[in-house]
Amino acid sequence: DAGITQSPRYKITETGRQVTLMCHQTWSHSYMFWYRQDLGHGLRLIYYSAAADITDKGEVPDGYVVSRSKTENFPLTLESATRSQTSVYFCASSAKGLGGSGELFFGEGSRLTVL
Amino acid sequence: QKEVEQDPGPLSVPEGAIVSLNCTYSNSAFQYFMWYRQYSRKGPELLMYTYSSGNKEDGRFTAQVDKSSKYISLFIRDSQPSDSATYLCAMSVTGANSKLTFGKGITLSVRP
Repeated sequence: DAGITQSPRYKITETGRQVTLMCHQTWSHSYMFWYRQDLGHGLRLIYYSAAADITDKGEVPDGYVVSRSKTENFPLTLESATRSQTSVYFCASSAKGLGGSGELFFGEGSRLTVL
Repeated sequence: QKEVEQDPGPLSVPEGAIVSLNCTYSNSAFQYFMWYRQYSRKGPELLMYTYSSGNKEDGRFTAQVDKSSKYISLFIRDSQPSDSATYLCAMSVTGANSKLTFGKGITLSVRP
C-alpha cells in the first residue's frame, strides 16, 4: 500500500541500548522528517532530509543519528537511549519542502519507552 | 515568548456546538498557516491550509488568519463526535527551506 510506514510501532528498551526506528515512504517524496511529540512540548523536529545523502539537524538533534542512503528510507537511531528520549516519534514526508510550502504526510508513530 | 502559542485545553463541547480554536504567534514573517488534526494514536493530517491573510472555508471548517493581530483561528460548525481529536496549528515563513513551527495542540472532545 502507498504511504508512509513506521516500525516498530511500540518499543520498550533500557537505558544505554541502541535503538533504531525505521521509516519507509512509497511516494518518492524528496523531503523526510523525524519529529518527537511530548506532552507539554508538542511536535519538535529532530532531523530532516532534503534528498538522499542530505540530512540536517532540527530543533532537538542531540542523542540521535539519521541516515538516508535511499530516497524512500529514513531511519532514526538512538545511539545510547536515555529516559528523556521516552516519547512518540513521528516520521513525515513532503514533496515540496520543509513544510511551509507543502503538506507534510505523517506516519502513525513509534511509541518508545526507555526504562 | 514562544513563537507559536496555542490554548492548552482540553476542550469539551456538546454535539452541534460551534468550536473556536486559536493560536497566536510572534514572528511577523510567517506566511503559511496550517491546521493539522490528530486522532488518538495516529499521526497528524493536514486539515486546512492558508497562505497569508484571510479566511478559507471547507465544509464545516473555517480557517481565519489575522496577520495584524498575529492570530489564527479554526472554527468548526455543527461539531460532531468524529471531530474529537487533537488540533495543532502550524506556520512558517516562505521558502522551500522554511521549517514548520507547531503549536502544542489542543485536545477537543465532542460529547454526543
